[in-house]
Amino acid sequence: DAGVIQSPRHEVTEMGQEVTLRCKPISGHNSLFWYRQTMMRGLELLIYFNNNVPIDDSGMPEDRFSAKMPNASFSTLKIQPSEPRDSAVYFCASSPGWELGYTFGSGTRLTVV
Amino acid sequence: GENVEQHPSTLSVQEGDSAVIKCTYSDSASNYFPWYKQELGKRPQLIIDIRSNVGEKKDQRIAVTLNKTAKHFSLHITETQPEDSAVYFCAASMDPYKLSFGAGTTVTVRA
Repeated sequence: DAGVIQSPRHEVTEMGQEVTLRCKPISGHNSLFWYRQTMMRGLELLIYFNNNVPIDDSGMPEDRFSAKMPNASFSTLKIQPSEPRDSAVYFCASSPGWELGYTFGSGTRLTVV
Repeated sequence: GENVEQHPSTLSVQEGDSAVIKCTYSDSASNYFPWYKQELGKRPQLIIDIRSNVGEKKDQRIAVTLNKTAKHFSLHITETQPEDSAVYFCAASMDPYKLSFGAGTTVTVRA
């Protein structure tokens, strides 16, 4: 199993541009999570899906952030327009069931200049 | 929602000594407590977890203890080695899908 696959690994963009982060969960995992990690705020849950349905998006910081999961094997996190304070590492994680723990992807390091 | 506090924020130990990290949680309904290790520049990885019906769990050099009455749980690493140097995160869950993470502990093992 290739694990949770995220792309791109690194993204540098200018303020105001649209950014799309992608995630392929582990096959058979029915829960998917998007986290943001910064030194100041640690690991923050942005949104999670169960069986492709968004269950809780209360962690999405503002309307500039949106996430979709059109099918069981793909999810996107979009920021439009991006701002320098969005710079962080964004992790996607998937789980076959909540008591079985998460598997994190390698993350996308986003830098907005 | 669940609030998880983790202490200390940094920990430096001599190789071969033990390291202990403590976490407290706020919601007595939480019943799943995993620990993640994140090496520099890498992803967090699950190293051990414990459920509320168990007081202690061991896996080689690492162990986790849970005190549900006091709402705290701890990670113990014995005979520390340089490869144990990393950031360790505790987490707690009462929601079927959502983990609340602590702020992390940076562990440095001195050779």
